[in-house]
Amino acid sequence: DQQVKQNSPSLSVQEGRISILNCDYTNSMFDYFLWYKKYPAEGPTFLISISSIKDKNEDGRFTVFLNKSAKHLSLHIVPSQPGDSAVYFCAASGRNSGYALNFGKGTSLLVTP
Amino acid sequence: NAGVTQTPKFRVLKTGQSMTLLCAQDMNHEYMYWYRQDPGMGLRLIHYSVGEGTTAKGEVPDGYNVSRLKKQNFLLGLESAAPSQTSVYFCASSYSRGAYPVSTDTQYFGPGTRLTVL
Repeated sequence: DQQVKQNSPSLSVQEGRISILNCDYTNSMFDYFLWYKKYPAEGPTFLISISSIKDKNEDGRFTVFLNKSAKHLSLHIVPSQPGDSAVYFCAASGRNSGYALNFGKGTSLLVTP
Repeated sequence: NAGVTQTPKFRVLKTGQSMTLLCAQDMNHEYMYWYRQDPGMGLRLIHYSVGEGTTAKGEVPDGYNVSRLKKQNFLLGLESAAPSQTSVYFCASSYSRGAYPVSTDTQYFGPGTRLTVL
Protein backbone atom coordinates (compact mmCIF):
# COMPACT_ATOMS: atom_id res chain seq x y z
CA ASP A 1 0.00 0.00 0.00
CA GLN A 2 1.31 3.36 -1.05
CA GLN A 3 1.70 5.53 2.04
CA VAL A 4 2.93 8.54 0.08
CA LYS A 5 0.97 9.55 -3.00
CA GLN A 6 1.72 11.98 -5.76
CA ASN A 7 -1.44 11.96 -7.83
CA SER A 8 -0.17 14.09 -10.70
CA PRO A 9 2.27 12.13 -12.87
CA SER A 10 3.19 15.24 -14.83
CA LEU A 11 2.96 19.01 -14.76
CA SER A 12 3.78 21.63 -17.38
CA VAL A 13 4.45 25.25 -16.41
CA GLN A 14 5.66 28.30 -18.27
CA GLU A 15 8.99 29.81 -17.33
CA GLY A 16 8.60 32.51 -14.69
CA ARG A 17 5.32 31.15 -13.35
CA ILE A 18 4.76 29.20 -10.15
CA SER A 19 5.03 25.41 -10.09
CA ILE A 20 3.01 23.64 -7.39
CA LEU A 21 3.66 19.96 -6.78
CA ASN A 22 1.40 18.11 -4.39
CA CYS A 23 1.84 15.12 -2.12
CA ASP A 24 -0.50 13.28 0.24
CA TYR A 25 0.37 10.76 2.92
CA THR A 26 -1.64 8.28 4.95
CA ASN A 27 0.62 7.39 7.88
CA SER A 28 0.06 9.77 10.80
CA MET A 29 3.38 8.62 12.32
CA PHE A 30 5.40 10.37 9.63
CA ASP A 31 7.21 13.37 11.11
CA TYR A 32 9.80 14.34 8.52
CA PHE A 33 9.11 15.11 4.89
CA LEU A 34 11.52 15.62 2.04
CA TRP A 35 11.48 16.56 -1.62
CA TYR A 36 14.01 15.13 -4.01
CA LYS A 37 14.71 16.17 -7.57
CA LYS A 38 15.85 13.64 -10.12
CA TYR A 39 17.29 14.13 -13.58
CA PRO A 40 17.43 11.20 -16.04
CA ALA A 41 20.32 8.80 -15.42
CA GLU A 42 21.19 10.48 -12.11
CA GLY A 43 20.41 9.74 -8.48
CA PRO A 44 17.79 11.69 -6.53
CA THR A 45 19.15 14.97 -5.20
CA PHE A 46 17.90 16.32 -1.89
CA LEU A 47 16.02 19.58 -2.41
CA ILE A 48 14.23 20.67 0.73
CA SER A 49 12.68 19.16 3.83
CA ILE A 50 10.28 20.01 6.62
CA SER A 51 9.74 18.69 10.10
CA SER A 52 6.23 18.06 11.39
CA ILE A 53 6.68 20.80 14.00
CA LYS A 54 6.66 23.37 11.20
CA ASP A 55 4.14 24.25 8.53
CA LYS A 56 6.46 26.02 6.13
CA ASN A 57 10.10 25.90 5.11
CA GLU A 58 11.68 28.13 2.52
CA ASP A 59 14.96 27.89 0.64
CA GLY A 60 15.44 30.39 -2.15
CA ARG A 61 12.90 29.72 -4.89
CA PHE A 62 11.63 26.57 -3.16
CA THR A 63 9.03 26.50 -0.40
CA VAL A 64 7.45 23.45 1.16
CA PHE A 65 4.12 23.71 2.97
CA LEU A 66 2.84 21.08 5.37
CA ASN A 67 -0.81 20.68 6.39
CA LYS A 68 -0.78 17.97 9.05
CA SER A 69 -4.52 17.85 9.56
CA ALA A 70 -5.02 17.16 5.86
CA LYS A 71 -1.90 14.96 5.62
CA HIS A 72 -0.85 17.02 2.66
CA LEU A 73 2.30 18.80 1.60
CA SER A 74 3.19 20.84 -1.41
CA LEU A 75 6.32 22.19 -3.05
CA HIS A 76 6.19 25.64 -4.60
CA ILE A 77 8.83 26.77 -7.07
CA VAL A 78 8.79 30.48 -7.81
CA PRO A 79 9.78 31.55 -10.39
CA SER A 80 10.06 28.34 -12.38
CA GLN A 81 13.07 27.96 -14.66
CA PRO A 82 13.72 25.53 -17.54
CA GLY A 83 16.49 23.93 -15.46
CA ASP A 84 13.83 22.90 -12.94
CA SER A 85 12.49 20.37 -15.46
CA ALA A 86 12.94 17.02 -13.70
CA VAL A 87 11.05 14.37 -11.76
CA TYR A 88 10.21 15.42 -8.22
CA PHE A 89 9.76 12.82 -5.53
CA CYS A 90 8.04 13.40 -2.23
CA ALA A 91 9.31 11.24 0.65
CA ALA A 92 8.39 10.78 4.29
CA SER A 93 9.81 9.13 7.36
CA GLY A 94 8.83 8.64 10.95
CA ARG A 95 10.46 7.58 14.17
CA ASN A 96 8.28 4.52 14.40
CA SER A 97 7.96 3.83 10.71
CA GLY A 98 11.13 1.97 10.03
CA TYR A 99 14.29 3.13 8.36
CA ALA A 100 13.09 3.54 4.81
CA LEU A 101 12.16 6.78 3.24
CA ASN A 102 8.68 6.20 1.88
CA PHE A 103 8.59 7.62 -1.63
CA GLY A 104 5.79 8.74 -3.86
CA LYS A 105 5.86 7.73 -7.53
CA GLY A 106 7.08 11.14 -8.62
CA THR A 107 5.79 14.07 -10.65
CA SER A 108 7.53 14.99 -13.89
CA LEU A 109 7.79 18.78 -14.15
CA LEU A 110 8.36 20.44 -17.51
CA VAL A 111 9.11 24.15 -17.52
CA THR A 112 8.71 25.62 -20.98
CA PRO A 113 10.39 28.84 -22.17
CA ASN B 1 34.26 15.24 -1.33
CA ALA B 2 32.64 12.76 -3.73
CA GLY B 3 29.53 12.08 -1.61
CA VAL B 4 28.00 8.71 -2.51
CA THR B 5 29.49 6.76 -5.40
CA GLN B 6 28.32 3.52 -7.00
CA THR B 7 30.14 0.93 -9.08
CA PRO B 8 29.37 -0.13 -11.79
CA LYS B 9 27.08 2.32 -13.58
CA PHE B 10 25.66 -0.28 -15.97
CA ARG B 11 25.63 -4.07 -16.05
CA VAL B 12 23.96 -6.77 -18.11
CA LEU B 13 23.67 -10.24 -16.60
CA LYS B 14 22.28 -13.55 -17.76
CA THR B 15 19.75 -15.34 -15.58
CA GLY B 16 21.53 -17.26 -12.85
CA GLN B 17 24.70 -15.17 -12.86
CA SER B 18 25.90 -13.42 -9.73
CA MET B 19 27.30 -9.97 -9.16
CA THR B 20 28.10 -7.42 -6.47
CA LEU B 21 27.26 -3.72 -6.52
CA LEU B 22 29.55 -1.46 -4.52
CA CYS B 23 28.52 1.69 -2.73
CA ALA B 24 31.00 4.04 -1.09
CA GLN B 25 30.44 7.25 0.90
CA ASP B 26 32.97 9.73 2.23
CA MET B 27 30.65 11.68 4.54
CA ASN B 28 31.29 9.54 7.61
CA HIS B 29 27.63 8.55 7.68
CA GLU B 30 26.54 5.76 9.99
CA TYR B 31 23.49 4.67 8.01
CA MET B 32 23.49 3.22 4.52
CA TYR B 33 20.67 1.95 2.32
CA TRP B 34 20.03 0.09 -0.92
CA TYR B 35 16.90 0.97 -2.92
CA ARG B 36 15.57 -0.18 -6.25
CA GLN B 37 13.49 1.87 -8.63
CA ASP B 38 11.21 0.31 -11.22
CA PRO B 39 9.33 2.18 -13.98
CA GLY B 40 6.39 4.18 -12.62
CA MET B 41 7.32 3.37 -9.04
CA GLY B 42 8.90 5.19 -6.17
CA LEU B 43 12.08 3.88 -4.62
CA ARG B 44 11.73 0.75 -2.48
CA LEU B 45 14.16 -0.23 0.28
CA ILE B 46 15.99 -3.54 -0.20
CA HIS B 47 18.38 -3.65 2.77
CA TYR B 48 19.93 -1.15 5.09
CA SER B 49 22.71 -0.87 7.65
CA VAL B 50 22.81 1.12 10.87
CA GLY B 51 26.54 0.75 11.32
CA GLU B 52 29.65 -1.20 10.44
CA GLY B 53 29.04 -4.92 10.72
CA THR B 54 25.25 -4.67 10.91
CA THR B 55 22.61 -5.14 8.22
CA ALA B 56 18.83 -5.53 8.15
CA LYS B 57 16.06 -6.30 5.68
CA GLY B 58 13.96 -3.65 4.08
CA GLU B 59 10.74 -3.86 2.11
CA VAL B 60 11.93 -6.05 -0.79
CA PRO B 61 14.95 -8.12 0.41
CA ASP B 62 14.36 -11.43 -1.38
CA GLY B 63 17.11 -12.46 -3.78
CA TYR B 64 19.65 -10.00 -2.36
CA ASN B 65 22.35 -10.08 0.28
CA VAL B 66 24.39 -7.25 1.73
CA SER B 67 27.52 -6.67 3.74
CA ARG B 68 28.97 -3.68 5.62
CA LEU B 69 32.53 -4.64 6.52
CA LYS B 70 33.72 -1.04 6.52
CA LYS B 71 31.81 2.05 7.59
CA GLN B 72 32.24 3.72 4.23
CA ASN B 73 31.22 0.76 2.05
CA PHE B 74 27.94 -1.10 1.57
CA LEU B 75 27.82 -4.02 -0.85
CA LEU B 76 24.71 -5.45 -2.51
CA GLY B 77 24.95 -8.98 -3.88
CA LEU B 78 22.78 -10.92 -6.26
CA GLU B 79 23.57 -14.62 -5.92
CA SER B 80 21.45 -15.88 -8.82
CA ALA B 81 20.07 -13.05 -10.92
CA ALA B 82 16.52 -13.19 -12.24
CA PRO B 83 14.79 -11.02 -14.88
CA SER B 84 12.59 -9.59 -12.10
CA GLN B 85 15.73 -7.97 -10.70
CA THR B 86 16.11 -5.79 -13.76
CA SER B 87 15.98 -2.34 -12.21
CA VAL B 88 17.91 0.77 -11.31
CA TYR B 89 19.64 0.42 -7.96
CA PHE B 90 20.39 3.39 -5.75
CA CYS B 91 22.54 3.53 -2.68
CA ALA B 92 22.01 6.20 -0.05
CA SER B 93 23.53 7.22 3.26
CA SER B 94 22.51 9.38 6.20
CA TYR B 95 24.20 10.72 9.30
CA SER B 96 21.71 9.25 11.70
CA ARG B 97 18.16 8.04 12.05
CA GLY B 98 15.67 8.96 14.69
CA ALA B 99 18.00 11.49 16.22
CA TYR B 100 17.69 15.21 16.84
CA PRO B 101 17.75 17.37 14.79
CA VAL B 102 15.65 15.48 12.29
CA SER B 103 17.61 17.00 9.43
CA THR B 104 20.29 14.40 10.16
CA ASP B 105 17.81 11.84 8.80
CA THR B 106 18.25 13.25 5.29
CA GLN B 107 19.45 10.55 2.95
CA TYR B 108 21.92 11.36 0.17
CA PHE B 109 21.87 9.23 -2.94
CA GLY B 110 24.41 7.88 -5.36
CA PRO B 111 24.02 8.12 -9.16
CA GLY B 112 22.55 4.64 -9.54
CA THR B 113 23.40 1.35 -11.25
CA ARG B 114 21.26 0.25 -14.17
CA LEU B 115 21.05 -3.55 -14.14
CA THR B 116 19.50 -5.68 -16.87
CA VAL B 117 19.00 -9.41 -16.38
CA LEU B 118 18.34 -11.34 -19.58
